[in-house]
Amino acid sequence: DAGVTQSPTHLIKTRGQQVTLRCSPKSGHDTVSWYQQALGQGPQFIFQYYEEEERQRGNFPDRFSGHQFPNYSSELNVNALLLGDSALYLCASSLRGAGKETQYFGPGTRLLVL
Amino acid sequence: GQQVMQIPQYQHVQEGEDFTTYCNSSTTLSNIQWYKQRPGGHPVFLIQLVKSGEVKKQKRLTFQFGEAKKNSSLHITATQTTDVGTYFCAGSGGTSGTYKYIFGTGTRLKVLA
Repeated sequence: DAGVTQSPTHLIKTRGQQVTLRCSPKSGHDTVSWYQQALGQGPQFIFQYYEEEERQRGNFPDRFSGHQFPNYSSELNVNALLLGDSALYLCASSLRGAGKETQYFGPGTRLLVL
Repeated sequence: GQQVMQIPQYQHVQEGEDFTTYCNSSTTLSNIQWYKQRPGGHPVFLIQLVKSGEVKKQKRLTFQFGEAKKNSSLHITATQTTDVGTYFCAGSGGTSGTYKYIFGTGTRLKVLA
């Protein structure tokens, strides 16, 4: 039973570029949430996808967008990268994601923006 | 906006000593979850509390949810070196909405052998 997987594990980009991060949820899960974790801080909620739609969004600009595919996998896209976007990007999967389910986190993608 | 604070920010203890971290939300929560993140790792789910005043135990770990559902605590009895990591609480509900979890600032625990 595969857990949550994310790719790539590490990424280096320059300011102004665009990046796409990928997440495959745990088997049987249908909900994917994305978080940004800056060094030394707690994860910050970006958005949640359920039934291929963005169900709730955190306080992130429109440069952050996402997508969920019919197989429940998800992508996080960030346009016009800023130095401040350097962080660990975590994907968490759950079942239905109605606010009371266990979230399983993937290993994350470490993004460095130069 | 809704905030979740944790104290202390850091805690160093001798192996065998007890450890407690406290989590406080600015608004009432529907439920709270606790996670552990090892250095260089990702958050790992520990437990969820839903009911007012709820207390749950997992071996040496005791979790409490306050009566007003605005605060929570995690207590570790007789710490071991394997307890090293950062402990986060994450609350759902309140003004942040149903699906969004607000993570606390975390408490970094170091255990000295």
